[in-house]
This record gives sequence, C-alpha cells and structure tokens, in this order.
Amino acid sequence: GEQVEQRPPHLSVREGDSAIIICTYTDSATAYFSWYKQEAGAGLQLLMSVLSNVDRKEEQGLTVLLNKKDKRLSLNLTAAHPGDSAVYFCAVKNTNTGKLTFGDGTVLTVKP
Amino acid sequence: NSKVIQTPRYLVKGQGQKAKMRCIPEKGHPVVFWYQQNKNNEFKFLINFQNQEVLQQIDMTEKRFSAECPSNSPCSLEIQSSEAGDSALYLCASSRLTGNTEVFFGKGTRLTVV
Repeated sequence: GEQVEQRPPHLSVREGDSAIIICTYTDSATAYFSWYKQEAGAGLQLLMSVLSNVDRKEEQGLTVLLNKKDKRLSLNLTAAHPGDSAVYFCAVKNTNTGKLTFGDGTVLTVKP
Repeated sequence: NSKVIQTPRYLVKGQGQKAKMRCIPEKGHPVVFWYQQNKNNEFKFLINFQNQEVLQQIDMTEKRFSAECPSNSPCSLEIQSSEAGDSALYLCASSRLTGNTEVFFGKGTRLTVV
C-alpha cells in the first residue's frame, strides 16, 4: 500500500522565517494531496489540498509544491509567526476508497 | 472551517466498559470516516461510510468496534469492551465524494481507558 514519509519530525524557526516541510509518497497513481494543521488538544484543520495536475498553489502565506516525478510534496510557511506553532501532517488520498494515508507529522515551533 | 461536530470531546471509561462517541458530518457530505490517532501521532483508518452503507472497515473494527451512520441521526462509533490500548483520539471526517475532494475533520473525542 501507499507509504508516506515526512520530514523533519521537529522544526524550530524564528518569527518571520520560512518553514519547509517535505513529504514523499510511493504510489505514482495518487492524485490528491492535503496538508493539515493540528494544534494541541484539537482536531485536524485542513490547510490546503491540491490535485496531481497542480505543481504549485499559494494561499494566505502558504505555498504547496508538488513534484510528481520525484513523488514529493512540500509545504512552505513563508513568514511564520508564533500562532503557526502546531503539528503539521501531509496526507495523500486513495481516490478509489477515499482513505487518507498520513505522514508522521512535523512539530513546528515558531519563536518570537 | 470544518463543520464536523464530534461529541463528547473527552470520554473516560474503565476496562471492559462500552465507549460510544458520535459525529455529525458536514451538511451535504455523504462520506464519513473514522480514524484513530495514538499518542505517537500515528493514524489508523477504522471504517468509512457512504450514506448509511459501510465502504471499508479494518479487522479490528469488525471484532470489538461497531459503527453506524443512520439516516437523519448522528453517526456513531462504539467500542464494546474497552481496552487500555484503545486510549487515543478518535477523529471523524466527512467529504462530498470518495474521490478527489477535500476531507474535513472534527475536533475528535479523546478516549482514556483506565
């Protein structure tokens, strides 16, 4: 089945810096990709989703890049602030079953 | 923002007790998922529905877990006889389709089995 690797497991940046999280996946047929944010004690907040025909998508300070050749998905928080501190997960979707396969998560800490 | 509503937020049960949690999916979302997230942030798919029909479920779900999504009522996940290893965050999610559409999660039910 699909396998997703996410790195780094922990990331600490200063306010205003960029934070980049990368996921790699194994199934070249995967067509739908998402990034979620999870704050302490909370559920998963959907940040952005992209289809496989999209290479780049930007929204509200977030940039998602998809490299289908290398099976790599990245999330870039272009100017992080302390409120971005949370755990971030990538997720790839099996478009037949709808099931999501998650990365292991990245604990992001943004210091003032 | 997600409109998936999960209740209760916290649930404490003794070993062997039943544990039941509920989920109201977003309006217009016929596809519902249940995932278990453990303390190591690992996600385990439990079951999914389209309308009232089960699409897929794992073996664990078949044996001690039961779930349903009746029409005009909240979906529910019930553990018949709780075990310590069931302590986790149970997340309900919904989407319009099984295919290339967004999946929205609720805030989860934190189950602690003592």
